[in-house]
Amino acid sequence: AQRVTQPEKLLSVFKGAPVELKCNYSYSGSPELFWYVQYSRQRLQLLLRHISRESIKGFTADLNKGETSFHLKKPFAQEEDSAMYYCALSGRGMGRRALTFGSGTRLQVQP
Amino acid sequence: KAGVTQTPRYLIKTRGQQVTLSCSPISGHRSVSWYQQTPGQGLQFLFEYFSETQRNKGNFPGRFSGRQFSNSRSEMNVSTLELGDSALYLCASSFPGQGNEQFFGPGTRLTVL
Repeated sequence: AQRVTQPEKLLSVFKGAPVELKCNYSYSGSPELFWYVQYSRQRLQLLLRHISRESIKGFTADLNKGETSFHLKKPFAQEEDSAMYYCALSGRGMGRRALTFGSGTRLQVQP
Repeated sequence: KAGVTQTPRYLIKTRGQQVTLSCSPISGHRSVSWYQQTPGQGLQFLFEYFSETQRNKGNFPGRFSGRQFSNSRSEMNVSTLELGDSALYLCASSFPGQGNEQFFGPGTRLTVL
């Protein structure tokens, strides 16, 4: 069975500090990995996906197949980064729009 | 483009009743997925529809069903409501070829008393 684990419910950092939100997954095959974010009173939205290998709002995430991890990182946190972050996984082909989400990590960036 | 819309936004029902939730995807999107969000279980995939056909189904009982219309609008139905069905129900739409990005609606908050 596929599973996504986000071990931290809450991560609190000061502005300017580095951030790392952890995500581990289990999946038999080659999954697609995503990070979704939900800012206060806004909808859940895609932040980035591993296939694109892009940096969005200073965030990056590298897929480590050996450690089955997809940690989200940002070198210098900003107050506007405070939000709920969800790691998600999908299969390929017909199952690619059935996302399995982690339990989420709330990031609090303090001034 | 207008985003994904869901109606109603809030709903209160009693045990044993049934409920129908509606989702209008972004124009041009043909895939609609439904998720249930609860404090205990988090976000869980219910089902996905594409071109009026159910393509994927999550691990939910048969009381949960859905359908999609020719204009891509989708409805989900929950029959014989139980207290545990109280949740935020999210709908997401996507367009083939856009890297599997799903666009989420604001959700329908269902409370079962």
